[in-house]
Amino acid sequence: DAGVIQSPRHEVTEMGQEVTLRCKPISGHDYLFWYRQTMMRGLELLIYFNNNVPIDDSGMPEDRFSAKMPNASFSTLKIQPSEPRDSAVYFCASSFASGINSYNEQFFGPGTRLTVL
Amino acid sequence: ELKVEQNPLFLSMQEGKNYTIYCNYSTTSDRLYWYRQDPGKSLESLFVLLSNGAVKQEGRLMASLDTKARLSTLHITAAVHDLSATYFCAVDRLTSGTYKYIFGTGTRLKVLA
Repeated sequence: DAGVIQSPRHEVTEMGQEVTLRCKPISGHDYLFWYRQTMMRGLELLIYFNNNVPIDDSGMPEDRFSAKMPNASFSTLKIQPSEPRDSAVYFCASSFASGINSYNEQFFGPGTRLTVL
Repeated sequence: ELKVEQNPLFLSMQEGKNYTIYCNYSTTSDRLYWYRQDPGKSLESLFVLLSNGAVKQEGRLMASLDTKARLSTLHITAAVHDLSATYFCAVDRLTSGTYKYIFGTGTRLKVLA
């Protein structure tokens, strides 16, 4: 398996522009997570999906952020409009955690490094 | 509220030495995870601890879980430079059919030659 795939790997944009980050989870996984990592705030869970349904978006910083998962193999995180304080590394992770005695070991993608000028 | 605290936050140690990283969490959880992150890289799963008293070992790293004390430890034996990385613990708690998944602050480990 190729693992979790994220694109783009690097994104540089100007303040006010729309940014879309993409994620393809590991095939068969039923949970998908979006994280943001900065030096100041560490690793923050933004939102997660179970079977394509958003379960907890309490970590989404504000209305400028939105996430979708139209099918089991694709998710997007959109920032509109972007601001310099959104500069961070954004990770997508997936897991399979729905069986009996299941647990939630997450597999992370390589991340997207976002710079908003 | 589920909180996860790690200490120390930074650790600089000599090669060949032993040390322990501690992970405390605030509410009942029977499942604890350890991840490793190399500088500029993604996170990689190291250990999954699923019950009280669980112990897992991989090379020079050994993780254990005490659910009664709400404490997990990651013990490093005879450290080598390749272990330099940031180590995160995380816990999850299933409540009303949904997970609450919280990462600790991370411990940045530097092993000096």
